[in-house]
Amino acid sequence: ETGVTQTPRHLVMGMTNKKSLKCEQHLGHNAMYWYKQSAKKPLELMFVYSLEERVENNSVPSRFSPECPNSSHLFLHLHTLQPEDSALYLCASSQETGGNTGELFFGEGSRLTVL
Amino acid sequence: GENVEQHPSTLSVQEGDSAVIKCTYSDSASNYFPWYKQELGKGPQLIIDIRSNVGEKKDQRIAVTLNKTAKHFSLHITETQPEDSAVYFCATDGSGNTGKLIFGQGTTLQVKP
Repeated sequence: ETGVTQTPRHLVMGMTNKKSLKCEQHLGHNAMYWYKQSAKKPLELMFVYSLEERVENNSVPSRFSPECPNSSHLFLHLHTLQPEDSALYLCASSQETGGNTGELFFGEGSRLTVL
Repeated sequence: GENVEQHPSTLSVQEGDSAVIKCTYSDSASNYFPWYKQELGKGPQLIIDIRSNVGEKKDQRIAVTLNKTAKHFSLHITETQPEDSAVYFCATDGSGNTGKLIFGQGTTLQVKP
């Protein structure tokens, strides 16, 4: 098993659909993240969870709803998305070290296309 | 907030040549400077990092240099190989908050055999 697993790898949805992205980490880390990667743009941090508690929400539209039921799983629920939301959504995890930023371990991403 | 500028956006080199990618940052409180490599169809993977108490770090063919006074850091790849072809991202931790990495725009490196 790879360290961080994301499903599905590809998703096509209409603007009125409701879907979810799933992320699972097998590394025993206590922090998990959602990043958005669009063409020609830097990676954008969307959400951060530390010990299952959301600690960061970078002004993300409410049509994106995260859920972290335990320290190994992270979901991103999607509803009424817009075509400009089409992107690669990357999940990552890290072992927080008391204030010192450490290595992020990324999954392979979920490629989302909104029609 | 922190702003990270990365140059060049694309870089093409001949196999065996060196490649250099540069990043500048704005937040003088930044202390952590990682570099990530993203191959096609995969997520980014850490290849080397440096903290602010060190000016240079080397790991085989890759090295990172940091100039805190000028607020810039660079990735150096020597003896490039075709498998080095990928997108490279620099990042900083801004004001040092755990996990909040601010990424550069990325550099697409092509190594021609």
